[in-house]
Amino acid sequence: GAVVSQHPSWVICKSGTSVKIECRSLDFQATTMFWYRQFPKQSLMLMATSNEGSKATYEQGVEKDKFLINHASLTLSTLTVTSAHPEDSSFYICSARGTVSYNEQFFGPGTRLTVL
Amino acid sequence: GENVEQHPSTLSVQEGDSAVIKCTYSDSASNYFPWYKQELGKGPQLIIDIRSNVGEKKDQRIAVTLNKTAKHFSLHITETQPEDSAVYFCAASSNTGKLIFGQGTTLQVKP
Repeated sequence: GAVVSQHPSWVICKSGTSVKIECRSLDFQATTMFWYRQFPKQSLMLMATSNEGSKATYEQGVEKDKFLINHASLTLSTLTVTSAHPEDSSFYICSARGTVSYNEQFFGPGTRLTVL
Repeated sequence: GENVEQHPSTLSVQEGDSAVIKCTYSDSASNYFPWYKQELGKGPQLIIDIRSNVGEKKDQRIAVTLNKTAKHFSLHITETQPEDSAVYFCAASSNTGKLIFGQGTTLQVKP
């Protein structure tokens, strides 16, 4: 139980284009989903928190107009990196929290984004 | 702000030895402390967690201890195996639900 998937697992795009990453909770309803970014050999940094049906809450320093988050259903959240640039290249990881445990998050396998 | 310090950043042990990773947190309201194992190119996998009303928890070769007074918690892996080699992250969470991660420890188990 508590499986989270991400799609795609990796993506390469040209500078200036937009990329959408999907995060799905497969066997539970996720009231809250989190988006993290991880640079090589570094820790996970929280980008934003999204609650189903509400606007996402972004961490300080994260541009909300660049990283668009939509959490339209209890099983799907999307992160769109708009006008991507090489510095946006990173490993993007989502996690989902259900209704049973307030703290416990279940992580997806991550999406490797490379912007050329 | 909230902060979690993790040590050491790298740890190399012989197969069969024990490994200990330590974390310190700053937010006294933290009440949930998970540990994750991350293999290269993959998402973090929860290996064990502990809540603030418990001082110790064990699951086979893995144990976690929590000292709330000192704001310390530690991961103990006994009888290490080469497949334990990975990056390990500690984290702390309060009632906000947000996880604050440590910097990570790269564990290498030499056969």
